[in-house]
Amino acid sequence: QVQLVESGGGLVNPGGSLRLSCAASGFTFSDYYMSWIRQTPGKGLEWVSYISTTGTATSYADSVKGRFTISRDTVKSSLYLQMNSLRVEDTAVYYCARGRYQARYTDYWGQGTLVTVSS
Amino acid sequence: EIVLTQSPGTLSLSPGQRATLSCRASQSLSSSYLAWYQQNPGQAPRLLIYGASSRATGIPDRFSGSGSGTDFTLTISRLEPEDFAVYYCQQYGGSPWTFGQGTKVEIK
Repeated sequence: QVQLVESGGGLVNPGGSLRLSCAASGFTFSDYYMSWIRQTPGKGLEWVSYISTTGTATSYADSVKGRFTISRDTVKSSLYLQMNSLRVEDTAVYYCARGRYQARYTDYWGQGTLVTVSS
Repeated sequence: EIVLTQSPGTLSLSPGQRATLSCRASQSLSSSYLAWYQQNPGQAPRLLIYGASSRATGIPDRFSGSGSGTDFTLTISRLEPEDFAVYYCQQYGGSPWTFGQGTKVEIK
């Protein structure tokens, strides 16, 4: 069965960096676009970024553009999100999700990893 | 950015009753590019419906989606205990993809 397991969340100071990972199994990772989506009690669900099957195409929400970088490793069946210059408003649960129709929607999600940006 | 407004915010119903959830988009969605997700407490969202009316794999037929343009509906024909959860709509007709704020279906 499809499994997505995120890791790498934690507490970080404003301006700091964090790298999230997502280990995928149960499907052919290289066949699917992948996305990161975050959730906060205040702003709800927010799409953050997606990456194409080959990694050559990426897209970001304006709120993270220039600060976050999505990448993937097909050999390891893993998805990553490098987060730099973190802000308090980046505090959220971050979900890794499998994309459909070029990641326009997502059919499987991981359990999420909590990122807290605070001094 | 396309804004999705869900109503009502909370729906209080009993098991066996019919639930009707609404999602309104600020702009018309091309090709009915709308999905619905269910989220239980402490869990990740689960895809229910895509393309406004197509059920995702493994989703019971008591869940149905309808609508086009700017007005969409998720209907749960007979509520089961496991259906009491929060439901979100998401549009993918215009970038960035956006989500509604959610409708909570609670036990009356």
